[in-house]
Formats: sequence, C-alpha cells, structure tokens
Amino acid sequence: AQSVAQPEDQVNVAEGNPLTVKCTYSVSGNPYLFWYVQYPNRGLQFLLKYITGDNLVKGSYGFEAEFNKSQTSFHLKKPSALVSDSALYFCAVRDRNQAGTALIFGKGTTLSVSS
Amino acid sequence: DGGITQSPKYLFRKEGQNVTLSCEQNLNHDAMYWYRQDPGQGLRLIYYSQIVNDFQKGDIAEGYSVSREKKESFPLTVTSAQKNPTAFYLCASSIVGGQGATDTQYFGPGTRLTVL
Repeated sequence: AQSVAQPEDQVNVAEGNPLTVKCTYSVSGNPYLFWYVQYPNRGLQFLLKYITGDNLVKGSYGFEAEFNKSQTSFHLKKPSALVSDSALYFCAVRDRNQAGTALIFGKGTTLSVSS
Repeated sequence: DGGITQSPKYLFRKEGQNVTLSCEQNLNHDAMYWYRQDPGQGLRLIYYSQIVNDFQKGDIAEGYSVSREKKESFPLTVTSAQKNPTAFYLCASSIVGGQGATDTQYFGPGTRLTVL
C-alpha cells in the first residue's frame, strides 16, 4: 500500500532562516513525488516534483526538495524563509507504473514564518 | 489554479438534499479527480476518471456520485446518503501519459460545502 507521512503538523521559522518541511513515503515500486502549497480557502498549487535523475529538485518560489531513496524521504527546503511562505504544505506520491491514478497525500504541514 | 474552474465557491445544503458541485477544465486533460479535504486529514480521494464515460471509486465514495459525459466536465453530486458532507471539495485534472509519464495534477479553487 502507498502512504505518505508528514511528521510535523506545524513548523515555525523566523523570516530569513532556512526552512525544512519533512516528508517520508512508502510505495511498492519507484515513486513520483510531489509538493503542493495551499493558501487559506484556495486550491492546491503545484510547487515541484521528482521524476528521476538529480536528487535535488528545484521548484517555484525558491523552494527545492531532496529525494533520498535509502531513507524514503522527500523533504521540502528553502534557504531563506519569507512571511509570505506561510501556508499549508502537502507532500504526495504515486507509483510511477500507475499512470492516471490518484495521488496519495500526506496530512499536511502548516508552515508559519514570523517577521 | 490554472484552467480548472469550480462552482459555486460556497454552497449550503439542508439535511436530506442532494447538491451538485461543478468542475470544468480547459487543459485538454484526460483524467479528472475529486478530493475531499477536512482539517488535519489531508486530501482523500472520492472518485476519479481517466476517460469519458468511465470512472472509479476512491477511498471515500459512499454517499457521492459522479458522471463524465464530456472530457471537460466532471460534476460531483453529494447525496443525502453522505452522513457528514461538510468539507472543502477539490477537483483536479491531469494528463494520462502512459507508464512512466509524469501526470502532474492541477487543482481548481475548491468548493466549501456546509450542511445547515
């Protein structure tokens, strides 16, 4: 069975400091991994995805994520947080051999960046 | 939110009523999805469709129904059989590119349903 875990319900960071939002996954095959961001009462916005190749993936708004196969993790990172980064972040996974099927989402992590 | 529209933005339902949530996309995507979002529970799949006139149940399909008569449209009906329908409903779409294709899902802005 596929699953995603986001172990932290909330992450608090001061503006200008680096941030990390953690994600671990479990799939039977090789994964496609995604990060999405959601602002209040809005839909999810795609940030970045891991397909294959370089383990460090760069995405929108200065975010990046590092794929670690041995630790089955895909942590989201940003070198310098902004107050406007405060939002709800979701990690998602799909087995790459199951095209067109739905993503499995984690429960989300609320990021709060203080000024 | 891309080329996916959902309406209405807010919907109020009385006990025992059926209501239909609209989802339309102009991205020429084959696959469409309905998710339900509750606080602290992430997104849970209700139904998805990979092609017109075909759809599959997700993890929480009970009390919901869908149709896929057109590629662009995937309406969701919340029936009176759904015991606790108050939630935020999100529609998404993606390509279906075959094995190995990266079918990123793009989401609409959501509909917030409240049962009175």
